[in-house]
Amino acid sequence: QVQLQESGPGLVKPSETLSLTCTVSRGSISSYYWSWIRQSPGKGLEWIAYIHHSGSTNYNPSLKSRITISIDTSKNQFSLNLSYVAAADTAVYYCASSNSGRLDYWGQGAVVTVSS
Amino acid sequence: DIQMTQSPSSVSASVGDKVTITCRASQGINTLAWLQQKPGRAPKLLIYGASILQTGVPSRFSGSGSGTDFTLTISTLQPEDFATYYCQQAHTFPLTFGGGTKVEIK
Repeated sequence: QVQLQESGPGLVKPSETLSLTCTVSRGSISSYYWSWIRQSPGKGLEWIAYIHHSGSTNYNPSLKSRITISIDTSKNQFSLNLSYVAAADTAVYYCASSNSGRLDYWGQGAVVTVSS
Repeated sequence: DIQMTQSPSSVSASVGDKVTITCRASQGINTLAWLQQKPGRAPKLLIYGASILQTGVPSRFSGSGSGTDFTLTISTLQPEDFATYYCQQAHTFPLTFGGGTKVEIK
């Protein structure tokens, strides 16, 4: 089955950009859609965005103005940039494979803390 | 956005018990998933399409419902089932989740 692994800094300063990468293994990134989801104690699970290998994207309107999502098929990776972060963006960030809106397989999660 | 409301927020049960969790959508939806999350772990897909078991999920888990009201049932609770369960609507974007139901040991 598909395996996913998030990577990126665990600490980001307020107003800076959070950058995470998800590496897909045991499967091709040219299959499925690929989503980012985050989980914080205050807001529970929140879907952030998805991307398809064709470049098609869909963003959560609540975060759209701050999100950039991209895909690198040659590396079997997709990435998330979230700009102008604040304490409310502190969360565990997950990447997952998406198929008809369901989230089949998840990475183990990356803990990101926003603090100076 | 479609709001998903789960009840109860927590339930205490014993091994062997039957447990039922409900999820209500703020408007009619045509597809719903259930996920299980254990402490310190990522959520895991259990059921999609309201009632279709993901590959490898034990048959003691079942899902039902349509429109706005859905149910997850664990027929005979096992020790490994103590976890938090979330519903998630896949009807439209943005995807949204329920607040979770924690199944605790009685």
